[in-house]
Amino acid sequence: KAGVTQTPRYLIKTRGQQVTLSCSPISGHRSVSWYQQTPGQGLQFLFEYFSETQRNKGNFPGRFSGRQFSNSRSEMNVSTLELGDSALYLCASSSRTDYNEQFFGPGTRLTVL
Amino acid sequence: QKEVEQDPGPLSVPEGAIVSLNCTYSNSAFQYFMWYRQYSRKGPELLMYTYSSGNKEDGRFTAQVDKSSKYISLFIRDSQPSDSATYLCAMVDNFGNEKLTFGTGTRLTIIP
Repeated sequence: KAGVTQTPRYLIKTRGQQVTLSCSPISGHRSVSWYQQTPGQGLQFLFEYFSETQRNKGNFPGRFSGRQFSNSRSEMNVSTLELGDSALYLCASSSRTDYNEQFFGPGTRLTVL
Repeated sequence: QKEVEQDPGPLSVPEGAIVSLNCTYSNSAFQYFMWYRQYSRKGPELLMYTYSSGNKEDGRFTAQVDKSSKYISLFIRDSQPSDSATYLCAMVDNFGNEKLTFGTGTRLTIIP
């Protein structure tokens, strides 16, 4: 079974730009969660999508948004990028039936200059 | 103050030693506790999952939860160089909630 895939793996943007990251979950998984990982804050929950609906949201500004498609693939968008948005963005998928086990992708490393 | 505190390390131990990794938390609603391992340039992978207080063993790994002290531990016996990674604790308040709260992670190096 293929794992969670994320594209692109690396991205460099400048302040003020916007960026879209993509995540393809494990086949059959309908829940996709997004996390931001930084050295100082660790992994912080951004949001979760299940069956194309946002189910849960973390404490991030509205510049961070996401969506999920009917095939469970998900995208997250960050508008008006700030230097502090530089981070590893991780996507995790789960079946939502097996004790919260979330399977993580390798992440997208975003650098904002 | 963060909901979950974890010593970032780094922690270096000789091969074969017992490793102890710990997290404390402040939210008494947390009921499910997990340990993830993250290798460099990879996403976290689930190592251990425990519910409420008690111990759980899986091979060389033992997870321990003390809810009265709001303290969880992961022990690694007979540590191997392949155990060198960042270890993250995570917790959640109920089964249907996908919003995991993570510690910042402890970087562990096992010296051959």
